[in-house]
Amino acid sequence: DIQMTQSPSSLSASVGDRVTITCRASQSIRNYLNWYQQKPGKAPTLLIYASSLLQSGVPSRFSGSGSGTDFTLTISGLQPEDFATYYCQHSYSTPWTFGQGTKVEI
Amino acid sequence: QITLKESGPTLVKPTQTLTLTCTFSGFSLTSSRVGVGWIRQPPGKALEWLALIYWDDDERYRPSLERRLTITKDTSKNQVVLTMTNMDPVDTATYYCIHVKQSYVWHIDYWGQGTLVTVSS
Repeated sequence: DIQMTQSPSSLSASVGDRVTITCRASQSIRNYLNWYQQKPGKAPTLLIYASSLLQSGVPSRFSGSGSGTDFTLTISGLQPEDFATYYCQHSYSTPWTFGQGTKVEI
Repeated sequence: QITLKESGPTLVKPTQTLTLTCTFSGFSLTSSRVGVGWIRQPPGKALEWLALIYWDDDERYRPSLERRLTITKDTSKNQVVLTMTNMDPVDTATYYCIHVKQSYVWHIDYWGQGTLVTVSS
């Protein structure tokens, strides 16, 4: 299985901050990397797919980059509704695996 | 508009078999490059991919659980069913039904609301 490692596991930030979350794959996954946001008690929602493509309806302050083994999710100008847990996930091959999550707190 | 909804028992006993049904609307599982699957999340823990069934009947399973899992589809009813045998308390989790599609890469673009399954005697 391909292992996905996110860092940090949690971070504290303020409204307006620029936040960066990294995700590393245990082997090259090209650009088969997706990012999700999950709020407490809710199902995750898709933010970014194929490493850098913004899902329809997602604010442009969210962006993704990377290829191979190293990927980044950036939130430019953190908003109150962005406090949540973020997960990366690869779809290079099955089994698909997720990172352990990054909790963004106030 | 695509929607998915999970249904099934909220409480199962150890060693029993869990059967979860995902009833969906807004798409057909006969359309190419789509699939329906299941992901679970134990309380306070990360997401864990379990199984997928694609439009072409291809089935994929989490290797560590493959002997216990079966995924089937009924395109006439717009349903996908997941069965998991020999349930254990460690299988306590929220189980999500997901819609996946291949656009550049495979990704999960819709999720059900999830259903919490507790395994306890």
